Amino acid sequence: SAVISQKPSRDICQRGTSLTIQCQVDSQVTMMFWYRQQPGQSLTLIATANQGSEATYESGFVIDKFPISRPNLTFSTLTVSNMSPEDSSIYLCSVEVGWNEQFFGPGTRLTVL
Amino acid sequence: ELKVEQNPLFLSMQEGKNYTIYCNYSTTSDRLYWYRQDPGKSLESLFVLLSNGAVKQEGRLMASLDTKARLSTLHITAAVHDLSATYFCAVDMGMKTSYDKVIFGPGTSLSVIP
Repeated sequence: SAVISQKPSRDICQRGTSLTIQCQVDSQVTMMFWYRQQPGQSLTLIATANQGSEATYESGFVIDKFPISRPNLTFSTLTVSNMSPEDSSIYLCSVEVGWNEQFFGPGTRLTVL
Repeated sequence: ELKVEQNPLFLSMQEGKNYTIYCNYSTTSDRLYWYRQDPGKSLESLFVLLSNGAVKQEGRLMASLDTKARLSTLHITAAVHDLSATYFCAVDMGMKTSYDKVIFGPGTSLSVIP
């Protein structure tokens, strides 16, 4: 398994600003994933972050809006840029351990006013 | 594009009863996951099903996978209130992408009533 922490756990932001979310894992992992969960909804994959390479973004998500960094094998950041109320969601990072299982961080609850 | 459906989306059941949640997916895959999410919390991994015919049990929950039918079930036996949560199935797209991509179903919100 893996122990994952995220910072901040929650934040309230003004529209037009940006927020950077940090994800820290207690072991080295190759793949890290960023998901968005809108209120009452399922999880949608934003991007996959592999250390040492550009993140791979899913359809509907772009780097200018959600830039991601992956400086080493235990850490990643997701920035939500130029926020609007539609960005209010829970943002979760996850990691894949071994071949079979993804473990999720506690999430960052973002409210944009 | 892989689509994952769950049925039902909402389930209210009495304590002590049995019920099954169904997860259908639209393309071939041999890896499927079940997660539990409590309100305001993150996701907890319940089961990883890796092959056709796989069956796993933990307490009152049992999950199975039929890759030929593209169907997984999560069976609840003698439900208790502590099982109230949202349950997600998630399907791995496997070799269809160059990286591991997992698609989540919409979730089944389970409420167990005394």
